[in-house]
Amino acid sequence: AQSVSQHNHHVILSEAASLELGCNYSYGGTVNLFWYVQYPGQHLQLLLKYFSGDPLVKGIKGFEAEFIKSKFSFNLRKPSVQWSDTAEYFCAVIAFYKLSFGAGTTVTVRA
Amino acid sequence: DVKVTQSSRYLVKRTGEKVFLECVQDMDHENMFWYRQDPGLGLRLIYFSYDVKMKEKGDIPEGYSVSREKKERFSLILESASTNQTSMYLCASSLPASGDTGELFFGEGSRLTVL
Repeated sequence: AQSVSQHNHHVILSEAASLELGCNYSYGGTVNLFWYVQYPGQHLQLLLKYFSGDPLVKGIKGFEAEFIKSKFSFNLRKPSVQWSDTAEYFCAVIAFYKLSFGAGTTVTVRA
Repeated sequence: DVKVTQSSRYLVKRTGEKVFLECVQDMDHENMFWYRQDPGLGLRLIYFSYDVKMKEKGDIPEGYSVSREKKERFSLILESASTNQTSMYLCASSLPASGDTGELFFGEGSRLTVL
């Protein structure tokens, strides 16, 4: 069975700091990879996705993620965070209809 | 925009009660999903359906059942609610496209408390 690991449970940082959230998955076949974000009180929404092609994927709000196949990783990055980036971030892997999620990382950005 | 609507945002039920959670999507998506979201555990798949009257077990189906009589509606049923089913329940839908490449669109969630 596939699994998704997110390395950090809670990250606290100041505005303008850089953010990197780690994600590793265990599935060995072809995968499609996602990062979802859930802002306080809102529903989950897609941040970015990787299906094929350029392993560096750009998403909304200045986020990007890099797919490294040899490391089974799909880490999320943002060079300079804002207070509004405070949210919970979920990495997800999909194969054969099933989308499996990591446990999530809560990001708190202090003004 | 895709809209996934969950009928109840907040429910409080007693142990042993039967609970229905309803989900409707308006974009003619073939695939529909039910997840539960718990702190520190992320989202865990309960059941999914890729067509009317079709259902597949997810990772944690025990204590739950589902119904998909119409394409736009996917219901989650707790036959006899228990306190460990207190959780946030999320419904999602997606196009089949190539089946497993579809982005999921989520509803706002139904927070269930079982006393």
